[in-house]
Amino acid sequence: GAGVSQSPSNKVTEKGKDVELRCDPISGHTALYWYRQSLGQGLEFLIYFQGNSAPDKSGLPSDRFSAERTGGSVSTLTIQRTQQEDSAVYLCASSWGTGGSYGYTFGSGTRLTVV
Amino acid sequence: AQTVTQSQPEMSVQEAETVTLSCTYDTSESDYYLFWYKQPPSRQMILVIRQEAYKQQNATENRFSVNFQKAAKSFSLKISDSQLGDAAMYFCAYRSAFPEYGNKLVFGAGTILRVKS
Repeated sequence: GAGVSQSPSNKVTEKGKDVELRCDPISGHTALYWYRQSLGQGLEFLIYFQGNSAPDKSGLPSDRFSAERTGGSVSTLTIQRTQQEDSAVYLCASSWGTGGSYGYTFGSGTRLTVV
Repeated sequence: AQTVTQSQPEMSVQEAETVTLSCTYDTSESDYYLFWYKQPPSRQMILVIRQEAYKQQNATENRFSVNFQKAAKSFSLKISDSQLGDAAMYFCAYRSAFPEYGNKLVFGAGTILRVKS
């Protein structure tokens, strides 16, 4: 696609429910990243994929968070048993190779609200 | 671990004037990349400018330029002839040039820029 697409744009869920957030990267981008942005805060790294494998998942805050990527393309971030502190904007980015020289292309994020 | 600090939570500038946003970082690495990203209310992060640490020349993109001081670990963004569309949150970010140290961007906390007409 022309850009990084994330869905849904907004999600309201009840505490304790599971949610799935989807990221569709730019076609051909091998690297994919998930970040979390809490209200008024900077971006917190969650996980990095190269192809379908995740060499760096050091930012996942707890075992309630998991992510997968299939076909070297679409990625899903799953949060189980959501808590109010999970409320944030979840941003996805993709890049050619490792993206170092040219930065990453970000999606518009999913705003998750846990009530 | 690398850290990025943006000491100005908010800045204001009059339309057509110039403003400088500050960023400092901490690293023991000799080669790395630095970025400024803009985040408007639409939430999408937009790359404004990038700098490669081994290049001494400061990067410039139209009205945006940086003052990169490697020894001081400082990377400020200057916006000239400010426009209303420049109003946004601006993030400074660092990335190691060595993939074995990770590919992630490390972000500062951001600076909200307000542009007055």
